[in-house]
Amino acid sequence: QVTLKESGPALVKPTQTLTLTCTISGFSLSSTGVGVGWFRQPPRKALEWLALIFWDDDKRYSPSLKDRLTITKDTSKNQVVLTMTNVDPVDTATYYCAHRSLESPRNWFDPWGQGTLVTVSS
Amino acid sequence: DIVLTQSPATLSLSPGETATLSCRASQSLNGDLAWYQQRPGQAPRLLIYAASKRATGIPARFSGSGSATDFTLTISSLEPEDFAVYYCHQRTTFFTFGGGTKVEIK
Repeated sequence: QVTLKESGPALVKPTQTLTLTCTISGFSLSSTGVGVGWFRQPPRKALEWLALIFWDDDKRYSPSLKDRLTITKDTSKNQVVLTMTNVDPVDTATYYCAHRSLESPRNWFDPWGQGTLVTVSS
Repeated sequence: DIVLTQSPATLSLSPGETATLSCRASQSLNGDLAWYQQRPGQAPRLLIYAASKRATGIPARFSGSGSATDFTLTISSLEPEDFAVYYCHQRTTFFTFGGGTKVEIK
């Protein structure tokens, strides 16, 4: 069974760097075709894609946030890490990670983790 | 960026009724669109992919249609657990989501 779980600080101060971890199980980050994406959802707003990392370490970033984001993976720890620099209160959101592969199906994002709420405030 | 516009923003219906949700793309997606359901306090769940294919375990009352820029999600005979927010999602150019349609109990 494929599962993902996000973890990270619940509260960060403006200008700080946010580090989020997605711990996966039920699949391998080194399996051909596998990817893990990060998304966020501000309170009562729509979903926004942030970044995606593939099994071969190829990476994609949202054009509007690419200067602030870094996505990495640690296959041995079954983790995908997203860092976001210089956070602002507008970055307050629930952050999700999600799995994709040919079996997702057809590389659509599924399933998703439960999400972790991050509040940016001084 | 490809913009996805969903309508209506809110749909007020009674259990047993049919919900028709719309998603319009700013450019052709060639059928490459998915629908997600999000219940309160939960993560999104994949319902429909490739415009019309149901994901594993999704009931037959959920159906999708469309191909170029106009897509529809139909929920026949609404069950209590179907009252939620629905998002359309494209991956033709990067990844974007529509603003969502909330299906609420009338």
